[in-house]
Amino acid sequence: QVQLQEAGPGLVKPSETLSLTCTVSGGSISSTNYFWAWIRQPPGKGPEWIGSINYRGTKFYRSSLESRVTISVDTSKNQFSLRLKSMTTADTSVYYCGRLDVVTAGSLFDSWGQGTLVTVSS
Amino acid sequence: EVVLTQSPGTLSLSPGERATLSCRADQNLFSNYLAWYQQKPGRAPSLLIYGASSRATGIPDRFSGSGSGTDFTLTISRLEPEDFAVYYCQYYGSFGQGTKLEIE
Repeated sequence: QVQLQEAGPGLVKPSETLSLTCTVSGGSISSTNYFWAWIRQPPGKGPEWIGSINYRGTKFYRSSLESRVTISVDTSKNQFSLRLKSMTTADTSVYYCGRLDVVTAGSLFDSWGQGTLVTVSS
Repeated sequence: EVVLTQSPGTLSLSPGERATLSCRADQNLFSNYLAWYQQKPGRAPSLLIYGASSRATGIPDRFSGSGSGTDFTLTISRLEPEDFAVYYCQYYGSFGQGTKLEIE
């Protein structure tokens, strides 16, 4: 069973860049059936998809975040990463990495990491 | 981007009762590719229903999904104590705002 684990700082200053990495275990990030996604959830609100990437580097980003987001993949390490620049307090959220099944029925987030709380504060 | 609106915001019921949760889209959903997730406090969401009506692996049959076009429903036939949680609908990159199912 695939497992995902986020890693990165819990505190970021305003205007700085957030960098998170997700390590995938129990399965290959190079599977053709999946994309790999970043999702965030502000306190008390619903999840918000940030973007997705597959093992070939094909990417899709949320339009409202596209100017600030970069997602990359490292198949040799079975990892993918998120960079979100120009952070503000509105970006304070729990950040999840997840696996996106793009074969079964549309796009399904079928596995999630445990999440990491990122607080933007000076 | 599709906008998904869930209702009610909060649903207060007792164990053993039937729960009906609604998700409405602002446009017709292609092939009814709507999914439902359950989230418990401090945990990541987990997949319950996909393709509007198919249960994910290991999901008990008291959970069922229905609907098409713009209107979708998640039904829990007889609530168990572990079912009290927040439920989200999802279509591609869009999530609803959630329905909190709480014990009355």
